[in-house]
Amino acid sequence: EVQLVESGGGLVQPGGSLRLSCAGSGFIFGSYWMTWVRQAPGKGLEWVANIKLDGSEKYYADSVKGRFTISRDNAKNSLYLQMASLRADDTAFYYCATHLNWAWDNWGQGTLVIVSS
Amino acid sequence: QSALTQPASVSGSPGQTITISCTGTTSDVGGYNYVSWYQQHPGKAPKLMISEVSNRPSGVSNRFSASKSANTASLTISGLQAEDEADYYCCSYTSSSTPYVFGTGTRVTVL
Repeated sequence: EVQLVESGGGLVQPGGSLRLSCAGSGFIFGSYWMTWVRQAPGKGLEWVANIKLDGSEKYYADSVKGRFTISRDNAKNSLYLQMASLRADDTAFYYCATHLNWAWDNWGQGTLVIVSS
Repeated sequence: QSALTQPASVSGSPGQTITISCTGTTSDVGGYNYVSWYQQHPGKAPKLMISEVSNRPSGVSNRFSASKSANTASLTISGLQAEDEADYYCCSYTSSSTPYVFGTGTRVTVL
């Protein structure tokens, strides 16, 4: 069974940094593009970033470009999102997902990031 | 990049058929066959229902179908059931600097 488990969320002050992790199991992690999607409480979904199988290609939403960095460690079956210069509008549930056929077929349960003073 | 436009809410009685629209532009929905649909129950992660405009993943009920015409994609739920009550989001690949855009979301209510 495919499992994705996010961690690392929490309360952070504006301008601060946070690193999210996503641990995958039940599938060959290195065979999938991986993605981060976020959802502000009570709001819609927003695509954040994705990364190629070997980490050689990375793409970002304009809203996070230059502040967030996606990375992966296939040996550890893990995906990461390093977030810096955090703003109040970055407050959201952050989901990791496997990327297949231009869609996201497996999702984690999400981790909540709250940016507030 | 603006979000794709979906109706805020759609409702129907059990057994009925409903359709959710997702309107974009030639830069996203109309330009690529990379539209997907997601179901999200309150407090839960999204679930993939349709990929590449009309492909239904294994395990998704065949009561769910989808299509696309010009700049508008559509998700149809037939034989509406209580368990279908949820939020639904479309998503498309785009030619903009942000490669994927979601729809505004539609709340489906089963009367």
